Amino acid sequence: DAKTTQPPSMDCAEGRAANLPCNHSTISGNEYVYWYRQIHSQGPQYIIHGLKNNETNEMASLIITEDRKSSTLILPHATLRDTAVYYCIVRVANADGNKLVFGAGTILRVKS
Amino acid sequence: DTGVSQNPRHKITKRGQNVTFRCDPISEHNRLYWYRQTLGQGPEFLTYFQNEAQLEKSRLLSDRFSAERPKGSFSTLEIQRTEQGDSAMYLCASSLSAGGGTGELFFGEGSRLTVL
Repeated sequence: DAKTTQPPSMDCAEGRAANLPCNHSTISGNEYVYWYRQIHSQGPQYIIHGLKNNETNEMASLIITEDRKSSTLILPHATLRDTAVYYCIVRVANADGNKLVFGAGTILRVKS
Repeated sequence: DTGVSQNPRHKITKRGQNVTFRCDPISEHNRLYWYRQTLGQGPEFLTYFQNEAQLEKSRLLSDRFSAERPKGSFSTLEIQRTEQGDSAMYLCASSLSAGGGTGELFFGEGSRLTVL
């Protein structure tokens, strides 16, 4: 699996959009970008994933650059409950047992 | 709630003792994963099962660790002769295998082990 690079931490004001970047310059053509988050003392939670096109669901939007070497997770209106560690992971979907290889992630602090 | 369930949530033990954790996955999920997480780090993959077959084990899974999923439903993770370095959160996750779903893993809330 390709490696990803994320900033160690970010702050965001409550109610504002949180934009979390991820670099994955060695991503392969069949690798998806997945985002998970982990709220303190809980297990990781799936947020969203995508291959080439931008994706949106009820939790977030995922913007993938045209060359696929980087992506941004957008939480449109961050709340205090969005304070968590956010993990960007790239892997081939439905292969290698679907296992995830986590990095250190980005600690997002949403402040009032 | 029919999510992934882990027990016990917390375990404190003395060095050298054996401990066992149990994971009950989402009922229709045929894949089950174990991860370990230490403070400030992301979860590290330990092993996974498809039904009752253990298909991959990480190098992190030393001989003191053993995982089973005897009937393809719940799983146990046993640590023998615990060491202080085993202190961590042990996370279980489940998913559908290839051909079903998004490949999304559903995690339990973890079992925290403290070895004194």
